[in-house]
Amino acid sequence: GAGVSQSPSNKVTEKGKDVELRCDPISGHTALYWYRQSLGQGLEFLIYFQGNSAPDKSGLPSDRFSAERTGGSVSTLTIQRTQQEDSAVYLCASSHSPGDSGNTIYFGEGSWLTVV
Amino acid sequence: ELKVEQNPLFLSMQEGKNYTIYCNYSTTSDRLYWYRQDPGKSLESLFVLLSNGAVKQEGRLMASLDTKARLSTLHITAAVHDLSATYFCAVDETYTGTASKLTFGTGTRLQVTL
Repeated sequence: GAGVSQSPSNKVTEKGKDVELRCDPISGHTALYWYRQSLGQGLEFLIYFQGNSAPDKSGLPSDRFSAERTGGSVSTLTIQRTQQEDSAVYLCASSHSPGDSGNTIYFGEGSWLTVV
Repeated sequence: ELKVEQNPLFLSMQEGKNYTIYCNYSTTSDRLYWYRQDPGKSLESLFVLLSNGAVKQEGRLMASLDTKARLSTLHITAAVHDLSATYFCAVDETYTGTASKLTFGTGTRLQVTL
């Protein structure tokens, strides 16, 4: 597609349930990022994938959060045993290889997660 | 730890006026991004600034970067209502050798009134 595609766009889940959020980056982009945006914390980095390199998971807030990227394209962010503080907008982004000058990082529309 | 501070956090300005949003950051970097976010929407890329002294302009917005002062500015000229949105700056740590990831400022909510 033309842009970064995320699904679902909205998700309401019960506390304790697991959720999966999907991201389809722009075709040809080797770098993929997950960020979280919430009222209290602003925009936070979660995880970054670049090609076949090991992902940078330094932003994941707890071991309930994990992400994978299959075939260098689609990524799934999984939150296990959701808590109310996980409620946020989860934004996926993609770009060409970092280090190339002039890179723009493009964001998707986000997945709005509400844990009740 | 990289810190990125924006000010002001909220800006109400009249149409036709000029104003500047400031973005300070705490560590060496020469790659800085400006994004716009409308309510309920995602982040729209405005500018990527890649070197000291870089200046970019698009319409009524102009962004600049001073890496020595660790400061970027977003200048608004003759504001119009359509510019009402939240503006974020973000710093890329790639230059420092760490994995490429953005640290965002707190955002500046701009409201342009008639």
